[in-house]
Amino acid sequence: NAGVTQTPKFRVLKTGQSMTLLCAQDMNHEYMYWYRQDPGMGLRLIHYSVGEGTTAKGEVPDGYNVSRLKKQNFLLGLESAAPSQTSVYFCASSYGPTSGDYNEQFFGPGTRLTVL
Amino acid sequence: GENVEQHPSTLSVQEGDSAVIKCTYSDSASNYFPWYKQELGKRPQLIIDIRSNVGEKKDQRIAVTLNKTAKHFSLHITETQPEDSAVYFCAASSGYSTLTFGKGTMLLVSP
Repeated sequence: NAGVTQTPKFRVLKTGQSMTLLCAQDMNHEYMYWYRQDPGMGLRLIHYSVGEGTTAKGEVPDGYNVSRLKKQNFLLGLESAAPSQTSVYFCASSYGPTSGDYNEQFFGPGTRLTVL
Repeated sequence: GENVEQHPSTLSVQEGDSAVIKCTYSDSASNYFPWYKQELGKRPQLIIDIRSNVGEKKDQRIAVTLNKTAKHFSLHITETQPEDSAVYFCAASSGYSTLTFGKGTMLLVSP
């Protein structure tokens, strides 16, 4: 199993350009998440999904959109990139709570995005 | 929403010493507390977690303690080794579906 994969690994954008980051998981996980990681800021949740066709806002959703058309894929879109969106983006997935018990989140390898 | 504070931000120890990282959380309803390790340039990986119905959990050299009354939990690493050098993140479940992470602790273990 590949686990959680992310495409692309690196990307450089100019201010105002758009792009889509793809996350895929082959573990049949119900829940998927997008985080951004900035130096000294930890991991901050952008958006998440609790199932195919559903999305919800996290802590820092502004400037991003997401879609979960298929259970195994979770897309993160930047419509008009800004330098403040320079970051490392991590996707994660989990089974979600089962029987009231929380389950481990598995992370992808990350995408390093630079916006000039 | 949930707020997680993590201390210290950096920690340097000698090989063989113990290391302790502490976190506090704000939401008394939080019930799941994982710890993730992130090596340089790699993805975060779960190393241990604890649920609110227990006060301590051990896994070889790693242990986590939870004090629900004080709303804090700690990671203890004994007999540290150079390969323990990494950034460690604590987190708390801020809702049924999501985690709130602390800002991380960079642990450096010197030979």
